[in-house]
Amino acid sequence: AQSVAQPEDQVNVAEGNPLTVKCTYSVSGNPYLFWYVQYPNRGLQFLLKYITGDNLVKGSYGFEAEFNKSQTSFHLKKPSALVSDSALYFCAVRDIGQNFVFGPGTRLSVLP
Amino acid sequence: GAVVSQHPSWVICKSGTSVKIECRSLDFQATTMFWYRQFPKQSLMLMATSNEGSKATYEQGVEKDKFLINHASLTLSTLTVTSAHPEDSSFYICSASEALAGVGNEQFFGPGTRLTVL
Repeated sequence: AQSVAQPEDQVNVAEGNPLTVKCTYSVSGNPYLFWYVQYPNRGLQFLLKYITGDNLVKGSYGFEAEFNKSQTSFHLKKPSALVSDSALYFCAVRDIGQNFVFGPGTRLSVLP
Repeated sequence: GAVVSQHPSWVICKSGTSVKIECRSLDFQATTMFWYRQFPKQSLMLMATSNEGSKATYEQGVEKDKFLINHASLTLSTLTVTSAHPEDSSFYICSASEALAGVGNEQFFGPGTRLTVL
C-alpha cells in the first residue's frame, strides 16, 4: 500500500531564506508524486508533480521539488521564502487506481 | 485552467437535517470526482470516489447511507449528508479528474465546504 510521510508538523523560516518541506513515500511500482498547498478555509492548490524524467521538478510560485529514488524522498524547496508562502503543504502519491494518498501536512510559517 | 467549484462554501444546520453539497467542474469534463473530509489540523481523508453514471465507491469506514453521493453528469457531483449530527461537522472538499485522465494527471480541488451541525 502507498504511504506518505511528512516528518515535520511545522517549519519556520525567515523571509528571504531558503525553505525545505520534507516528504518521503512508500509505493509499489513507479511513484507519481504531487505537492499541494492549502490556505486557510480553502481547497488545495496544485504546486507541482513528478511523473517521470528530470529529478528536479519546477512548479508554481517559484517552488521546486527534487525526486530522490534511493532515498524515496520528494522534498519541496524554494530558494527565497515569502511571507505569503505561509500555508499548509501536502505531499501526495497517486496509486494505480488514481486515488491520492496524502501526507499529514506541514505547516509553513515564514516570518517577516 | 481547470476550475472546480463547490456550493455552498459554508453551511450551518440543525441536527437531524440533511445537507447537500454540490461540486462542479466549470471548464472541463470530470469522469471521476472524489470527496474528502478534513478535520482541523489534519490531512484529507478520502471518503468516496464517484464515476459519472455509476455508483460511488466508498472507502472503508464511510457509511454510504449517511453520505449519499450522486454523479449524474460529467460536470456535477453532489454529496448529501443525511440526518446530520454534530460529529459530521467538518470541512468537505471535492476534487475532479479530467475525462480520459491518466495516472499522471493531477486532481483539481474545489475550495471546500465547511459544515457545522448544531
